[in-house]
Amino acid sequence: GAVVSQHPSRVICKSGTSVKIECRSLDFQATTMFWYRQFPKQSLMLMATSNEGSKATYEQGVEKDKFLINHASLTLSTLTVTSAHPEDSSFYICSARDPGAITQYFGPGTRLTVL
Amino acid sequence: SQKIEQNSEALNIQEGKTATLTCNYTNYSPAYLQWYRQDPGRGPVFLLLIRENEKEKRKERLKVTFDTTLKQSLFHITASQPADSATYLCALGDQTGANNLFFGTGTRLTVIP
Repeated sequence: GAVVSQHPSRVICKSGTSVKIECRSLDFQATTMFWYRQFPKQSLMLMATSNEGSKATYEQGVEKDKFLINHASLTLSTLTVTSAHPEDSSFYICSARDPGAITQYFGPGTRLTVL
Repeated sequence: SQKIEQNSEALNIQEGKTATLTCNYTNYSPAYLQWYRQDPGRGPVFLLLIRENEKEKRKERLKVTFDTTLKQSLFHITASQPADSATYLCALGDQTGANNLFFGTGTRLTVIP
């Protein structure tokens, strides 16, 4: 149980375009999902907390207009990187938490490369 | 702000030995601590959770200790195997708000056959 999927696993795009990443909880309903970014040899940094049916909560320093989060259902959250630039190239990972539980279960990650 | 340090960036051990990884933290009083395994290019995989009122947790060849006085957690893998080679992350959390997790930078473990 507790499987989280992400799509796509890898994306290469041109500077200035927008990219959407999907995060799905496959066998449980997640009222809360989290989006992280990880640079090489660095820790996971929380970008935002996504709550089903309400606005996401962004961490300090994360531009909400650049990283759009939509948690439209209990099993799906999307992260859209708008007007991507090379410095946005990173490994983006989502996680989901089973309601009433503490543990976060992570997706396999999405490698974004902006040319 | 909280600071989480994992003792070494890389650790090499011989197959069959016990690997011990350390996680130290400051400026924080977590309600629980979790250990994850991360393989290259993959998301973290949950291994164990230990709460602040627990001293030790075990799962198969894994053992975690949590000392809130020392502000330290130790993660042990006994009878290590080459398949245990990965990066291991500790993550601290509390039960306020959204239960956010704060991650250490990880220790890359290599088990040598």
